[in-house]
Amino acid sequence: AQSVTQLGSHVSVSEGALVLLRCNYSSSVPPYLFWYVQYPNQGLQLLLKYTSAATLVKGINGFEAEFKKSETSFHLTKPSAHMSDAAEYFCAVIASGGSYIPTFGRGTSLIVHP
Amino acid sequence: DAGVIQSPRHEVTEMGQEVTLRCKPISGHNSLFWYRQTMMRGLELLIYFNNNVPIDDSGMPEDRFSAKMPNASFSTLKIQPSEPRDSAVYFCASSDTGQIYEQYFGPGTRLTVT
Repeated sequence: AQSVTQLGSHVSVSEGALVLLRCNYSSSVPPYLFWYVQYPNQGLQLLLKYTSAATLVKGINGFEAEFKKSETSFHLTKPSAHMSDAAEYFCAVIASGGSYIPTFGRGTSLIVHP
Repeated sequence: DAGVIQSPRHEVTEMGQEVTLRCKPISGHNSLFWYRQTMMRGLELLIYFNNNVPIDDSGMPEDRFSAKMPNASFSTLKIQPSEPRDSAVYFCASSDTGQIYEQYFGPGTRLTVT
């Protein structure tokens, strides 16, 4: 079984501030982990993914995430928020060696204030 | 590649009418997913096809929903009869299981049932 918990349905930051979006997962086998972003009136698009290589993963638009097995976490960070980062962010997990079906979190809405 | 293509982008229909949503996955992808997104329930997986065969349809809400994938380049999701509670954004996503499961989402179909 696999599950994902995203802490905080809304996160508000000022432009230029650090962005931290939290994701904790549960998986009975080593997981593959993903962050997707959804801009208004669009589908989800992949930001980055962890597939058991380097634990620190860099993605598009300056985002990165670190896989911490001991904490079962895969938090998403960006050093300096831009107004264009305002969107919905989804964490997802797939159990390696199992089905290809991901489990998505409920999403976190990132609000960026000028 | 044009990405995942969905049609129509918007659909407004009256309760009791049949609705058909269409999806063209990315060429060469062997997995296709249908999702429904609402504010209340978030992103829900409805059905998953692999090599055109339905593998998991446990998320299909009830018999009013049906999905087909007659070939590798086309899938439909049909609702008959439609009800107001079916109002949602429906996404199609495809993936290549050789690419460690990352999914490519279409732009979605916004369905409103009055």
